[in-house]
Amino acid sequence: DAGVIQSPRHEVTEMGQEVTLRCKPISGHDYLFWYRQTMMRGLELLIYFNNNVPIDDSGMPEDRFSAKMPNASFSTLKIQPSEPRDSAVYFCASTPENPGPDTQYFGPGTRLTVL
Amino acid sequence: QKEVEQDPGPLSVPEGAIVSLNCTYSNSAFQYFMWYRQYSRKGPELLMYTYSSGNKEDGRFTAQVDKSSKYISLFIRDSQPSDSATYLCAGGSTLGRLYFGRGTQLTVWP
Repeated sequence: DAGVIQSPRHEVTEMGQEVTLRCKPISGHDYLFWYRQTMMRGLELLIYFNNNVPIDDSGMPEDRFSAKMPNASFSTLKIQPSEPRDSAVYFCASTPENPGPDTQYFGPGTRLTVL
Repeated sequence: QKEVEQDPGPLSVPEGAIVSLNCTYSNSAFQYFMWYRQYSRKGPELLMYTYSSGNKEDGRFTAQVDKSSKYISLFIRDSQPSDSATYLCAGGSTLGRLYFGRGTQLTVWP
């Protein structure tokens, strides 16, 4: 199993540009989570999906952030327009339908720098 | 108040020391508790988990939960330089969502 795949691994962009982060969950996993990690705030949940349906997006910081999951094997997190304070590492994680403590797997992350 | 509170450190200890990492939580609905280890520029990886109060041991690592005081601990015996990483505690329920602490950065120097 390839694990959770994220792309790109690094993204450097200028303020105001649109940024799209991509995630492929582990096959057969029904939950997908998007997290953001910064030194100041740690690992924060932005949004999560169950069977491609957004369940809780209360962690999305503002309207500039949007996430979609068009099918079971692909999700995107979009920031438009990007701002320097969006600089962080963004992680995607997935877990199966009956999640337990040992079933949430993280991708390698996308390191985003907004200049 | 965050669901899970964790002192970010940093914590620096010599090789062979016993390391104690701690968290507190506020959500009584948590059914299990995890410790993740995150190496620099990598994603978090599950280190240990436990469902109930008490201790769980795995090699040099011991996870401890005290539900009465809502306290989570991780002990590392005979610490090694390879243990240098950020350690994140988390609580969760059967709904799948996890709540993480900020992480404690640990350095074990030879």
